[in-house]
Amino acid sequence: AQTVTQSQPEMSVQEAETVTLSCTYDTSESDYYLFWYKQPPSRQMILVIRQEAYKQQNATENRFSVNFQKAAKSFSLKISDSQLGDAAMYFCAYRSGRNNNDMRFGAGTRLTVKP
Amino acid sequence: NAGVMQNPRHLVRRRGQEARLRCSPMKGHSHVYWYRQLPEEGLKFMVYLQKENIIDESGMPKERFSAEFPKEGPSILRIQQVVRGDSAAYFCASSLLQGQNTGELFFGEGSRLTVL
Repeated sequence: AQTVTQSQPEMSVQEAETVTLSCTYDTSESDYYLFWYKQPPSRQMILVIRQEAYKQQNATENRFSVNFQKAAKSFSLKISDSQLGDAAMYFCAYRSGRNNNDMRFGAGTRLTVKP
Repeated sequence: NAGVMQNPRHLVRRRGQEARLRCSPMKGHSHVYWYRQLPEEGLKFMVYLQKENIIDESGMPKERFSAEFPKEGPSILRIQQVVRGDSAAYFCASSLLQGQNTGELFFGEGSRLTVL
């Protein structure tokens, strides 16, 4: 079974600074997807960024980028130029490319942005 | 294109009553997933359905919980004889057919169930 681990229950960052959220996962598969979802106080799950395992290049979406280390099974999220609106719970998620019956989530990291 | 629609957003039930949560997937999506989120926790998979079929219900409690996705109409998550431990946010997500799948799940805004 695949497991996703987020070892940082809480993180804080100063506005305009950079923060990195950690995520590791365990799988025996070679074909899979990794995601970071953001859950603000409204509780809506919002996709931040996606990475296909077969792609070596790290995904980037504006101020959000990932450091995908496939051999180490690590998938960290870097938020540059942090904004107050980035404050939320961030969930790392794994989904098999072969048997994508479900998406496995980590326990989440609560990010606080200080003005 | 409307997103995943869930209702009700908030539902209050007394112990022993039934709760019904509804989910309409995004247009063109035929796969529906239900997740439960307890306070301060991540989302836990419950069940995966396609139209008229339950594909995987390995995450759903064997008793009191059931789900369906009929040919017409929304997917329904039904909880019978609710207990206080059922209080949680229930999220529905949908995705495209496999093979056309970018892997992403599109989530609704969730239904918060409170059991008194």
